Amino acid sequence: DTEVTQTPKHLVMGMTNKKSLKCEQHMGHRAMYWYKQKAKKPPELMFVYSYEKLSINESVPSRFSPECPNSSLLNLHLHALQPEDSALYLCASSQIAVKQETQYFGPGTRLLVL
Amino acid sequence: GQQVMQIPQYQHVQEGEDFTTYCNSSTTLSNIQWYKQRPGGHPVFLIQLVKSGEVKKQKRLTFQFGEAKKNSSLHITATQTTDVGTYFCASNNAGNMLTFGGGTRLMVKP
Repeated sequence: DTEVTQTPKHLVMGMTNKKSLKCEQHMGHRAMYWYKQKAKKPPELMFVYSYEKLSINESVPSRFSPECPNSSLLNLHLHALQPEDSALYLCASSQIAVKQETQYFGPGTRLLVL
Repeated sequence: GQQVMQIPQYQHVQEGEDFTTYCNSSTTLSNIQWYKQRPGGHPVFLIQLVKSGEVKKQKRLTFQFGEAKKNSSLHITATQTTDVGTYFCASNNAGNMLTFGGGTRLMVKP
């Protein structure tokens, strides 16, 4: 099973809402990632979790708050987002967070902030 | 951090024609990975190249890593409509941080 699942598939939220994106993998991977992808652009790394601990935060605004409750789950809590945060949010996982490890991407959550 | 430039941004081809996308870096890369993203889809890992001058093939796809490990190419022979999508090259930093090239969007006319 090389599947990473993400819910919801689509999300529309207002700027005052609080919502969460969820990601799950059952491949036994110990590294999980959040990426943001704007239309016609490449994915941009937001966060890296290694062994359930946040190891990399790419200067992401605090309105995005990641959480890794266990080795299979990764959440992204959203609060007070701006319209420019509308994008495809991709979760990925790899065996471990070292160079050259293949990352497996989930289908993403398409977020629209009104 | 390292930057990977990718050209062309877009390519329209007639079905059956060949297609090539190129990635270049000003610094030596530890590796290069290639991903395909179908319209409305998510990036799917295709292959990884690690060795200088490495060439790998997957059916009609040929991947090359330059001798200096600063450039790479993906060549598709005799494109099909199923090849439509955006092809990204990417390289890993420490911590497995992936830096993507800008992508090449391939459109195939039947």
